[in-house]
Amino acid sequence: AQSVTQLDSHVSVSEGTPVLLRCNYSSSYSPSLFWYVQHPNKGLQLLLKYTSAATLVKGINGFEAEFKKSETSFHLTKPSAHMSDAAEYFCVVLGGTYKYIFGTGTRLKVLA
Amino acid sequence: SAVISQKPSRDICQRGTSLTIQCQVDSQVTMMFWYRQQPGQSLTLIATANQGSEATYESGFVIDKFPISRPNLTFSTLTVSNMSPEDSSIYLCSAQRGTGIGVYEQYFGPGTRLTVT
Repeated sequence: AQSVTQLDSHVSVSEGTPVLLRCNYSSSYSPSLFWYVQHPNKGLQLLLKYTSAATLVKGINGFEAEFKKSETSFHLTKPSAHMSDAAEYFCVVLGGTYKYIFGTGTRLKVLA
Repeated sequence: SAVISQKPSRDICQRGTSLTIQCQVDSQVTMMFWYRQQPGQSLTLIATANQGSEATYESGFVIDKFPISRPNLTFSTLTVSNMSPEDSSIYLCSAQRGTGIGVYEQYFGPGTRLTVT
């Protein structure tokens, strides 16, 4: 069965410093993986997705993620955090043909 | 992509009553889903809303408590029945679209924040 584990429930960074949000996955076959962001009182927005093409995936707002099969990881990174990046981030694996399986979420705090 | 709207955006309800949440997609989609997000937690899939047939419920969710309708390819409703304070959550609708062979993306509505007193 497919699953994802987000290794940090909270991450704090200073504005202008790099962001790293960690996600490990478990899948019996080549997975489709996604990162979503949820700003307070707003819906979820797709940041990026991996679907077995390039292992380095670029998303919106300067975020990117690298699929590493040997480490079963799909960590989300951004070179320089902005105050507007403060939000909840969810790593998601596509289970079966259509079912999304969500991680527990990582709350990113950006300090001025 | 798909733009999804939900009504109401929030509500405060008394225990024992029911609330119906509406979800509208701006274009036809094959699959629609309903999720629950309890305070401070991740999303849990309630059910898949099937057009023209009964919804498919996940373990722990039943039709009597969460009846779902999907009369066409752009609209669905979720009813939270006989509510208790434990039902206080955000309820999100999503729609799925295929973007390639075996590849799917889900788009989410803004959610309905329900408080049961």
